[in-house]
Amino acid sequence: DTAVSQTPKYLVTQMGNDKSIKCEQNLGHDTMYWYKQDSKKFLKIMFSYNNKELIINETVPNRFSPKSPDKAHLNLHINSLELGDSAVYFCASSSHPAPVTGELFFGEGSRLTVL
Amino acid sequence: GENVEQHPSTLSVQEGDSAVIKCTYSDSASNYFPWYKQELGKRPQLIIDIRSNVGEKKDQRIAVTLNKTAKHFSLHITETQPEDSAVYFCAAKAGGGNKLTFGTGTQLKVEL
Repeated sequence: DTAVSQTPKYLVTQMGNDKSIKCEQNLGHDTMYWYKQDSKKFLKIMFSYNNKELIINETVPNRFSPKSPDKAHLNLHINSLELGDSAVYFCASSSHPAPVTGELFFGEGSRLTVL
Repeated sequence: GENVEQHPSTLSVQEGDSAVIKCTYSDSASNYFPWYKQELGKRPQLIIDIRSNVGEKKDQRIAVTLNKTAKHFSLHITETQPEDSAVYFCAAKAGGGNKLTFGTGTQLKVEL
């Protein structure tokens, strides 16, 4: 059973298009995240939701809009895609937000290529 | 906010040698320091973590040390094997906060 699953795994699209990435976790976790990994492998947090509530919103263009319909799902919608949006987007979940530490369980990643 | 620096960015060792990766953090309130391993084309996975009330932790061939005064922590891998080749990320998290800040990663290559 896949703990954190994301779709699609690969996404190739033209500049200016709108696209979505979906994420689901079956671990019963309350907290979910979106991380962006660029070509230099830097892992940077974008958003975090705890039980459907947005708790972290980093300095991300408002073209990026997360949505959590329930605590097991966290989707990412990107409007007006730009070349710089090309990256691997990782969804993750953890059992606790704070103050208890919690291992991050990552999905397999969604490689977005904007042409 | 927290800033985590990681060195070196690349590291090549011979099989059987030891590898050391170092990280520094800026927020003295940080109290949780995990290390993640990411193999090529795969997801990052937790390999070991340490909390601020502990100075050292060991799990078979890997160990992590923490110096709270100097605000740095290190990953030590002994008797390296080819399957240790991967990108390793350190991270830090402040108590009461939810955000895990990652270092810039170290590409470890273990050569035969």
